[in-house]
Amino acid sequence: SYELTQPPSVSVSPGQTARITCSGHALPKQYAYWYQQKPGQAPLLLIYKDTERPSGIPGRFSASSSGTTVTLTISGVQAQDEADYYCQSQDITGTYWVFGGGTKLTVL
Amino acid sequence: QVQLVESGGGVVQPGRSLRLSCAASGLTFNMYSMHWVRQAPGRGLEWVAVISHDGSDERYADSVRGRFTISRDNSRNTVNLQVNSLRGDDTAVYYCASRSGLYSGFDYWGQGTLVTVSS
Repeated sequence: SYELTQPPSVSVSPGQTARITCSGHALPKQYAYWYQQKPGQAPLLLIYKDTERPSGIPGRFSASSSGTTVTLTISGVQAQDEADYYCQSQDITGTYWVFGGGTKLTVL
Repeated sequence: QVQLVESGGGVVQPGRSLRLSCAASGLTFNMYSMHWVRQAPGRGLEWVAVISHDGSDERYADSVRGRFTISRDNSRNTVNLQVNSLRGDDTAVYYCASRSGLYSGFDYWGQGTLVTVSS
């Protein structure tokens, strides 16, 4: 079955830039999505269609795509950004959905 | 505002069944595909199933195909997940989520309902 690979953890100091990668062989063909999940809460859509930001999502959240890897970038990280981040996409046929394993962002 | 409210979770013995429901409000329900996503305790998100906006198409993760059935009632703005032959590894918080368009992400999520499979 199709898998998306994320680093388990990323740590940054406040004000720095955090980058979280997600790799999958179908990513050149399928859009990627990113979600933030804080403890005890439902996931929140941060990025859709590889790089688009829904209304209400702060501009410090951005994303890029290059080949089989997509990257979520959080600029000027704040303490409130400490959370789990998940990438999401579909298999090459567009039939099934899959989430990456998640990355825990720690703000030092 | 948009609200998705799940119900039907609980403690159930292995091999038994449950019916999870998700009631939607604040959106034009029959324009959204609806998904179920689960999260085992301390683990990541796992996509479970999707039903198209009109109910004509259903798809399932390999881990649940043949045991779970998704359905919807657009007259009542509800989506259901019938979960049969439950196993310990089905223990999770089950979220329903909506998707508005072809390139949209999962726009809205409920707060989840916990299913615990235990003897």
